[in-house]
Amino acid sequence: EIVLTQSPDTLSLSPGERATLSCRASESVRNNFLAWYQQIPGQAPRLLIYGASTRATGIPDRFTGSGSGRDFTLTINRLEPEDFAVYYCQRYGTSAYTFGQGTKLEI
Amino acid sequence: QVQLVQSGAEVKKPGASVKVSCKASGYSFDSYGISWVRQVPGQGLEWMGWASVYNDNRKYSEKFQDRVTMTTDTSTATAFMELRSLRSDDTAVYFCARIARGTHSLYDHWGQGTLVTVSS
Repeated sequence: EIVLTQSPDTLSLSPGERATLSCRASESVRNNFLAWYQQIPGQAPRLLIYGASTRATGIPDRFTGSGSGRDFTLTINRLEPEDFAVYYCQRYGTSAYTFGQGTKLEI
Repeated sequence: QVQLVQSGAEVKKPGASVKVSCKASGYSFDSYGISWVRQVPGQGLEWMGWASVYNDNRKYSEKFQDRVTMTTDTSTATAFMELRSLRSDDTAVYFCARIARGTHSLYDHWGQGTLVTVSS
């Protein structure tokens, strides 16, 4: 089973700054089936990015996904107050259900 | 718009069972599968399994294989997750999520979550 390791565990930034979150897989992610979710405390996760770089419906363009193979990045430009949350990466596809442990983005 | 509305919080004793519902609206229920993901307080997301709505296909995590049953009712557009033989470490928020077409595990819409507390 592929293991996803996210870094850092916690990222402390201020509104207006850029956040760079990393997700490394223990082996290559086939077809770049890598997604990112945002979870605000007390709420359900929300799909941000799939296919490593495609924004889900309604996701602002300050969220950018990139990467391939084993290494993936979520970049959030011009942080807004509502962006401070926990972010999870996930490998998806047939027989693939792994989530990373999450990165907490805090002010 | 797509909505998944889950049943309310539950408090159960160890050894009991819980059945959580997830009512879908705003889309063709039988065209998408439903998955269940849980989150122990303060921890990450844990996949439990998925259920097809249009056939009898199911797949459960090995961790829950012996204790979980996922069902769907197309007449009411509702999915259910039953977890048996509850233990204190089953205390968690349980989410249902719609599976995006063409995948088995990309979740494009989520329910609001149901807190299940297991305590004697």
